[in-house]
Amino acid sequence: DAKTTQPTSMDCAEGRAANLPCNHSTISGNEYVYWYRQIHSQGPQYIIHGLKNNETNEMASLIITEDRKSSTLILPHATLRDTAVYYCIVRRSGETSYDKVIFGPGTSLSVIP
Amino acid sequence: KAGVTQTPRYLIKTRGQQVTLSCSPISGHRSVSWYQQTPGQGLQFLFEYFSETQRNKGNFPGRFSGRQFSNSRSEMNVSTLELGDSALYLCASSLDKFGNTIYFGEGSWLTVV
Repeated sequence: DAKTTQPTSMDCAEGRAANLPCNHSTISGNEYVYWYRQIHSQGPQYIIHGLKNNETNEMASLIITEDRKSSTLILPHATLRDTAVYYCIVRRSGETSYDKVIFGPGTSLSVIP
Repeated sequence: KAGVTQTPRYLIKTRGQQVTLSCSPISGHRSVSWYQQTPGQGLQFLFEYFSETQRNKGNFPGRFSGRQFSNSRSEMNVSTLELGDSALYLCASSLDKFGNTIYFGEGSWLTVV
């Protein structure tokens, strides 16, 4: 599975949009981009995923560039409860094993009051 | 619908003891995978089960074992506990083995003293 790179940390003012970038320049055609977040002492929480089209759900929006080499997770109105480590991973479709679920260091997002 | 449920949430064990952790996947999910998460090593894959069969195993010693029951519930066992086994143990479930979204439980915090 392709590797991802993310900034180590970011700050965002409460109520503003948080835009978290992810680079996955070696992504292949059958690999999806997934975003999870982990609040201290809890398990990772699934946020959103996509293949090539932009996606939106009740939590966030995912913008994937046309060449699929990078993506941005957007939290439209960040709250203090969005303070967490955000992980971007890529996973291929089709029969696969979950041993390839690799979370890098992620981006530590701090939402500032 | 209920998420992935892990029990116990927190536990403290003594070196040399053994521990059993339990995981109930999301209803209808047949694939369960286990991970160990530590600050230094990040998320590491332990094993994966589908339809009561272990599909893959990570690079952990034989003291770590697991199983899946016919109702898809899963357990993992660690025997002869060592201090280094202190970690957050995460269970995740997915619909099947075809690379669908995986959902994590809250984890079981194990402290070995």
